[in-house]
Amino acid sequence: EAGVAQSPRYKIIEKRQSVAFWCNPISGHATLYWYQQILGQGPKLLIQFQNNGVVDDSQLPKDRFSAERLKGVDSTLKIQPAKLEDSAVYLCASSLAPPPGQGAQTGELFFGEGSRLTVL
Amino acid sequence: AQRVTQPEKLLSVFKGAPVELKCNYSYSGSPELFWYVQYSRQRLQLLLRHISRESIKGFTADLNKGETSFHLKKPFAQEEDSAMYYCAPLLGSSASKIIFGSGTRLSIRP
Repeated sequence: EAGVAQSPRYKIIEKRQSVAFWCNPISGHATLYWYQQILGQGPKLLIQFQNNGVVDDSQLPKDRFSAERLKGVDSTLKIQPAKLEDSAVYLCASSLAPPPGQGAQTGELFFGEGSRLTVL
Repeated sequence: AQRVTQPEKLLSVFKGAPVELKCNYSYSGSPELFWYVQYSRQRLQLLLRHISRESIKGFTADLNKGETSFHLKKPFAQEEDSAMYYCAPLLGSSASKIIFGSGTRLSIRP
């Protein structure tokens, strides 16, 4: 089974420029997540999709970050304009929907390799 | 506020020694808890979940609701256990959100 695919793996930009990351989840996984992992910290949830609807985007800096998941499959995360503090690894993850009546989450996330962003 | 704390950034033990990675959470309900692991040059992956009461690669984790802790333990460390470990409770109003602790780097000395 193919895993979660992300691109690009590395990106270097200057502040105030824009950048976009792409994620292709595991086939059949209804839930897709974007996490931001700053060096030395744990992953921080930016946005969570269930199919093509947003479940949680409470920690997404909406003045500069946007994300979409058209057709409930692939997703893109965009930053515009980038700031120095956006330097981080952006992780995409996906998960299966749990069986009916067994909660909203299985808790088992499958992660991509991440996209490392450096903002100069 | 819902929070998870891993107090140790780095834990270094000798091969064959016992290991305990600490995790404390603050949450008013009864969360499901997970441990995730990231080996060098590999993806972040699920290690174990408390609801399964399973032992994976010799690791176990017990949920202590009184102390709000979910420490990860292994009686005899092996060199291949060296990795980053993240405690991750399932939180949110409808138990729909996984948040991660800051992580503990476990280093096993030969």
